[in-house]
Amino acid sequence: DAGITQSPRHKVTETGTPVTLRCHQTENHRYMYWYRQDPGHGLRLIHYSYGVKDTDKGEVSDGYSVSRSKTEDFLLTLESATSSQTSVYFCAISESSSYGYTFGSGTRLTVV
Amino acid sequence: SQQGEEDPQALSIQEGENATMNCSYKTSINNLQWYRQNSGRGLVHLILIRSNEREKHSGRLRVTLDTSKKSSSLLITASRAADTASYFCATDARDSSYKLIFGSGTRLLVRP
Repeated sequence: DAGITQSPRHKVTETGTPVTLRCHQTENHRYMYWYRQDPGHGLRLIHYSYGVKDTDKGEVSDGYSVSRSKTEDFLLTLESATSSQTSVYFCAISESSSYGYTFGSGTRLTVV
Repeated sequence: SQQGEEDPQALSIQEGENATMNCSYKTSINNLQWYRQNSGRGLVHLILIRSNEREKHSGRLRVTLDTSKKSSSLLITASRAADTASYFCATDARDSSYKLIFGSGTRLLVRP
C-alpha cells in the first residue's frame, strides 16, 4: 500500500522467542496503529501512537509492547511469543480519526 | 468488546443486485467509517460519515447513519463480481477520538 510498509510479510517463530514487527510510513502522519485480525473477531486494536514516544494501549495489549522513536516507524514487539499470538497483524496510519486510515498489507505471524 | 457489529455475517447475491450491510454500535461517536478487505489484503477505506450527517454517497456506495438507533447501513448498488470482499464498519468513540474500533465484518459474495 502506498506510503506504508510492513515487515516482514510472513514469519514463523517458536514459542517463547521475542519477535518484532515493523511498520514504516512515508506520509508523515501523526497517528499509527497496530491491529490483529483473527477469524470471528474482526480487527482488534493492540496499541496505538499519537506522536513520537506517545503510545497507548488498545483492547488486546497484553503480551505486546510498542515503540515509536521516529515519526515514520512504529514497532510492535512480542516479548515472548505464544501460540495465541498467531495472527495476521496490520499496521495503519492516519492524520486523525476524522480521516480514513491507510492500512499496510499485513504480517502473517505463526507461533509454533 | 467490539463497538460495531455487522449484520449479516455473510451475504451472497447475483451480479447486478444491490447489497445492503448493517452496522450497530454501542456508544456515542464522532464518525463512522466503512472499509473493504479483499482476501489476503489490507483494509481499504471506503467512506466516512460524521455523526451530524444522515446520508452520504460515493459512486455506487450509499451510507446512512441513524444516531438515535446507533446504526448505519452500507448499500452497494448494481454489484459486480469485483465487489466480493469483506466489509467492516468502524467507529471512534467520543471519549477517545483518535482510535477506531472495528466490527467483525460482513463477507459479501457476488456471483457472476
